[in-house]
Amino acid sequence: ELKVEQNPLFLSMQEGKNYTIYCNYSTTSDRLYWYRQDPGKSLESLFVLLSNGAVKQEGRLMASLDTKARLSTLHITAAVHDLSATYFCAGVGGSQGNLIFGKGTKLSVKP
Amino acid sequence: EADIYQTPRYLVIGTGKKITLECSQTMGHDKMYWYQQDPGMELHLIHYSYGVNSTEKGDLSSESTVSRIRTEHFPLTLESARPSHTSQYLCASSEFDRMNTEAFFGQGTRLTVV
Repeated sequence: ELKVEQNPLFLSMQEGKNYTIYCNYSTTSDRLYWYRQDPGKSLESLFVLLSNGAVKQEGRLMASLDTKARLSTLHITAAVHDLSATYFCAGVGGSQGNLIFGKGTKLSVKP
Repeated sequence: EADIYQTPRYLVIGTGKKITLECSQTMGHDKMYWYQQDPGMELHLIHYSYGVNSTEKGDLSSESTVSRIRTEHFPLTLESARPSHTSQYLCASSEFDRMNTEAFFGQGTRLTVV
């Protein structure tokens, strides 16, 4: 059964700094997804990573996938306050191919 | 932009009442899901469906039930609400294709049972 672990679970960083969120998964997952959730809101799709070595960038966020290491990373460059949110990664698990989510990383960017 | 809608957005209801949370999507997706999420916590899959007349229980046991009579509609029902059901319920849909499982989420229903 697929298990997805994120770390850190809480991240407080200053504006302008760089940081990386890690997402490890326990068994083979065909693809990896990153979502963003603002407080009290629903989930917004950020990135879909479909193959080993995939790298996608949107603004100050860059996601990558290493299927051999079973690791995805979400790198934040020069953080700004607007990036404050909870970030979830999700893999595809089980025979039904359902999305299995990590616990989320709550990011707080302070001036 | 995803076209998946949930109603109501917020619901406060008394213990013992029957409630139905509505979820509709206009993307023609065969697969639909219900997730339960307590504030600031992870998402737990409670129900999913492959298509019309197909419903399955998810990883987290739930007293709720679902139905799928039409492709676009996946309502969740609680026959007798209890305070332990207080949570946010998120509906999602995706194509029924293992090669493309990106899920699109509705805005959620925040349920409070008093």
